[in-house]
Amino acid sequence: QQQVKQSPQSLIVQKGGISIINCAYENTAFDYFPWYQQFPGKGPALLIAIRPDVSEKKEGRFTISFNKSAKQFSLHIMDSQPGDSATYFCAAESNTGNQFYFGTGTSLTVIP
Amino acid sequence: DAGVTQSPTHLIKTRGQQVTLRCSPKSGHDTVSWYQQALGQGPQFIFQYYEEEERQRGNFPDRFSGHQFPNYSSELNVNALLLGDSALYLCASSPLAAQETQYFGPGTRLLVL
Repeated sequence: QQQVKQSPQSLIVQKGGISIINCAYENTAFDYFPWYQQFPGKGPALLIAIRPDVSEKKEGRFTISFNKSAKQFSLHIMDSQPGDSATYFCAAESNTGNQFYFGTGTSLTVIP
Repeated sequence: DAGVTQSPTHLIKTRGQQVTLRCSPKSGHDTVSWYQQALGQGPQFIFQYYEEEERQRGNFPDRFSGHQFPNYSSELNVNALLLGDSALYLCASSPLAAQETQYFGPGTRLLVL
């Protein structure tokens, strides 16, 4: 059972465009929602994270939008660059433990 | 700061064998978590170690075991390897006071033939 559902599986965006990746969850005990970026041959790297007490968090070109009532959150990458081409994972952590649940990943390709 | 390091980088084993993977956490981190990442999938939590004890475990069989040493480094052991154990094994470290801030290592790619 996939605790965090992520879409789309792959995404192709033109340079300068906006990349949007969506995630949904069911477990209301989740209280921390990070996004990770993974390049081939590397481990995931924390990109940005949010807690449910805010609806949006922005760091540079990366923004998380969080909808607590819909149990959905999304990553927006503004002014997408070829260097952003990577696999992105959303994740969630429960307030009852230390276990992270990851989405299935989105392969982003930014075309020059 | 070397960050999280893992060894070996790649490993090939045959079914039924046993394997040991190693992880050194980022400096100042005392908590180590292990994840299995199958090809094209997100990481799946195996277990977490703190103070040399397993704190939490994901949905993995007892063939998967671990250990944490006094210097916070950790090992993941997998017995009776199956073809389905082929994956990238990731180690992540964090300080106990900020466990959500996990830093991942580059992983060990295990191929079971």
